[in-house]
Amino acid sequence: ETGVTQSPTHLIKTRGQQVTLRCSSQSGHNTVSWYQQALGQGPQFIFQYYREEENGRGNFPPRFSGLQFPNYSSELNVNALELDDSALYLCASSLFPGAAVGNTIYFGEGSWLTVV
Amino acid sequence: KNEVEQSPQNLTAQEGEFITINCSYSVGISALHWLQQHPGGGIVSLFMLSSGKKKHGRLIATINIQEKHSSLHITASHPRDSAVYICAVGSQGAQKLVFGQGTRLTINP
Repeated sequence: ETGVTQSPTHLIKTRGQQVTLRCSSQSGHNTVSWYQQALGQGPQFIFQYYREEENGRGNFPPRFSGLQFPNYSSELNVNALELDDSALYLCASSLFPGAAVGNTIYFGEGSWLTVV
Repeated sequence: KNEVEQSPQNLTAQEGEFITINCSYSVGISALHWLQQHPGGGIVSLFMLSSGKKKHGRLIATINIQEKHSSLHITASHPRDSAVYICAVGSQGAQKLVFGQGTRLTINP
């Protein structure tokens, strides 16, 4: 168990609706990254939050937005849901940004989103 | 061409066989990760390395920085090793990991 918890684990939404996914990071970790993983694909970087500020963003439209709270937990919000947003959304926490050896990254179990 | 390529995409073997999964990347990196993903979706970090070789139990990971290539080996494979194995790289100064598409490993008893 990594200590990174995500909720909800599964949800179904209708096209056009909005969704909020939540992530509690590993204790002491101030960096949270969100990834989208479509079926049969590797995860794709959505954005990263470091000390409550966005610290890098992937190639996702503005309807994907996020927040990080003072306790370093994080939310991913997706507006105007499209069918292609159906995917596994993964949260990953680390002690600090960057990918240096020693900065272990811990992943949550993910939130499975289905848009119908 | 993807920045991170894995091979094979699918691998089926018998229990006890020696398994090798390969990963090639095209960018300069500060660290390479080998990850394991079970059907439920959660991802577990197996190794993070920037040079040489690491071993943990029956798993061995190697990396050749000059050739931009890494391998994950599993000795004495077991059905419980069945999972998707993913290679991911982190570049210096970049926030994100770039992932390969994964290798689906099935070990039959």
